[in-house]
Amino acid sequence: DSGVTQTPKHLITATGQRVTLRCSPRSGDLSVYWYQQSLDQGLQFLIQYYNGEERAKGNILERFSAQQFPDLHSELNLSSLELGDSALYFCASSGTSGSLGTGELFFGEGSRLTVL
Amino acid sequence: KNEVEQSPQNLTAQEGEFITINCSYSVGISALHWLQQHPGGGIVSLFMLSSGKKKHGRLIATINIQEKHSSLHITASHPRDSAVYICAVNGLSGAQKLVFGQGTRLTINP
Repeated sequence: DSGVTQTPKHLITATGQRVTLRCSPRSGDLSVYWYQQSLDQGLQFLIQYYNGEERAKGNILERFSAQQFPDLHSELNLSSLELGDSALYFCASSGTSGSLGTGELFFGEGSRLTVL
Repeated sequence: KNEVEQSPQNLTAQEGEFITINCSYSVGISALHWLQQHPGGGIVSLFMLSSGKKKHGRLIATINIQEKHSSLHITASHPRDSAVYICAVNGLSGAQKLVFGQGTRLTINP
């Protein structure tokens, strides 16, 4: 058990809909990262938050947004869903001492999104 | 050409064999991660290294910064080692914007 909790584990929805994925980091970890894993693109970094602030952005679509709340949990919002958004979405946390850094990552089990 | 290349893409071996998975990258990095993904989908971080060598149980990871190359070794392999092994690198910006390799699917037969 990594200590990182993601919900829901599975989600099936239709094109055009909006979903929210939730991540609770390990106790004490200030950094939260979101990744997308699809069959054709592999794993890709989406976005990083550190103590409530956005720190780094990767290949995140404009239809997607994220935030980190004062209790450090994070949510990834996916809107106007398309078939190609079907993927595994992973959250990870790390206990980096500063806003940047390369701390060891602890991954959640992932949320499997299927868009029909 | 991908920034992170792994080889081989697929590897099948017999229980007990010594396994090597390679990772080459084309950019300057601050750290390299080796990850393990089991068939159920969960990802576990095995190593994070920026120089030299690390060992944990039967797993050994090495990195050569000058040659931009890392290897993951498994000694006395076991069927439970069957998984996808993924190499990922952090660029020099310092932010944890990992760039991932395509993964190596390892199957260990009893």
